[in-house]
Amino acid sequence: SQQGEEDPQALSIQEGENATMNCSYKTSINNLQWYRQNSGRGLVHLILIRSNEREKHSGRLRVTLDTSKKSSSLLITASRAADTASYFCATDAGLAGGGNKLTFGTGTQLKVEL
Amino acid sequence: AAGVIQSPRHLIKEKRETATLKCYPIPRHDTVYWYQQGPGQDPQFLISFYEKMQSDKGSIPDRFSAQQFSDYHSELNMSSLELGDSALYFCASSPMAGRGGANVLTFGAGSRLTVL
Repeated sequence: SQQGEEDPQALSIQEGENATMNCSYKTSINNLQWYRQNSGRGLVHLILIRSNEREKHSGRLRVTLDTSKKSSSLLITASRAADTASYFCATDAGLAGGGNKLTFGTGTQLKVEL
Repeated sequence: AAGVIQSPRHLIKEKRETATLKCYPIPRHDTVYWYQQGPGQDPQFLISFYEKMQSDKGSIPDRFSAQQFSDYHSELNMSSLELGDSALYFCASSPMAGRGGANVLTFGAGSRLTVL
């Protein structure tokens, strides 16, 4: 991807463990979002963090953003088999107010085993 | 709740044929986006429309065109299909977020195009 690079590309963990995925990007952003995609299905929005925020929580999800390093991380705590999916970061580099495209990173394939 | 509806879900075409994909956004969402996702790839932005006008353009080939109609549904037309056009095509919609707002996209289930 021209904007976001994610690591690791693939991650396999046991149920109950935490999963951490990282994303780096190149340009200035308005906000950064994380999406989840089950194989061959549509992307589902998980969480959004604005450029003036450093950390955000939603249920078992925790997102951090470091604009000085142009990087973000997604932590899924107490993982479940149902969390198995691909996770993408997406950046909104446009003006606040919406209508801007999102640029997606390369994604991390997470596999949670029983 | 109504979601983004895409049709057809699956489409098989021969090289050099034409294909049309349709997208029905969530009611009251005024922006539509098209993305292409090849096997194992990240979604690549193709084009977007706001209030029926093209608002942004990405890596959309000249062989492709799109438009948004008065009822806000959108169509992606693909001509002279090539093997490399085989991919999942996603449509997404979003409402205008307003001043200081952020843009969250709701994606459809995608249309899988296979070019033989």
